Amino acid sequence: SAVISQKPSRDICQRGTSLTIQCQVDSQVTMMFWYRQQPGQSLTLIATANQGSEATYESGFVIDKFPISRPNLTFSTLTVSNMSPEDSSIYLCSATLGETQYFGPGTRLLVL
Amino acid sequence: TQLLEQSPQFLSIQEGENLTVYCNSSSVFSSLQWYRQEPGEGPVLLVTVVTGGEVKKLKRLTFQFGDARKDSSLHITAAQPGDTGLYLCAGRSGTYKYIFGTGTRLKVLA
Repeated sequence: SAVISQKPSRDICQRGTSLTIQCQVDSQVTMMFWYRQQPGQSLTLIATANQGSEATYESGFVIDKFPISRPNLTFSTLTVSNMSPEDSSIYLCSATLGETQYFGPGTRLLVL
Repeated sequence: TQLLEQSPQFLSIQEGENLTVYCNSSSVFSSLQWYRQEPGEGPVLLVTVVTGGEVKKLKRLTFQFGDARKDSSLHITAAQPGDTGLYLCAGRSGTYKYIFGTGTRLKVLA
């Protein structure tokens, strides 16, 4: 199994600023994912982050807005850049071990 | 675009009742997973089904994968307040990505 932690757990930010979310896994994993979720709703995949390569973004998400780093097999960051109120959401990271996808507890972001 | 529609969207029932949640798509998936998510936490995997027609049981929860691998159902027998949460299905798209369903919010009243 894998235990995933995220920092910060929540934040309130001003529009136009950027926030970097950290994701730490207690095991070495090849694939990590970043999702966005409105409270009580489904998850939308933002991008897939593999160590040693550029992140792969889903339709509607771009690197300039959501730059991702993946410096090693246990860590990744997602930056939400030039934030607007529409970016208010829960951001979740996950990692796959075998067939199981493990999720972090999420980062709850409010942009004013 | 692959979509997974879940029904019902919301469900509020009394303790002891049975319920079924459906997950439907027009796309074929190589496997399908069910997750439960509680407030303030990430989703937790309940089960993975791979073969068309497959049925898996996890205590009071029964999961079924449709014969054509386009749909799935989750049946809960004698629901308990601890079953309360957001239930999400997720279909495997390609080699590693999962597409998540629209979600079903379940509340079980004591």
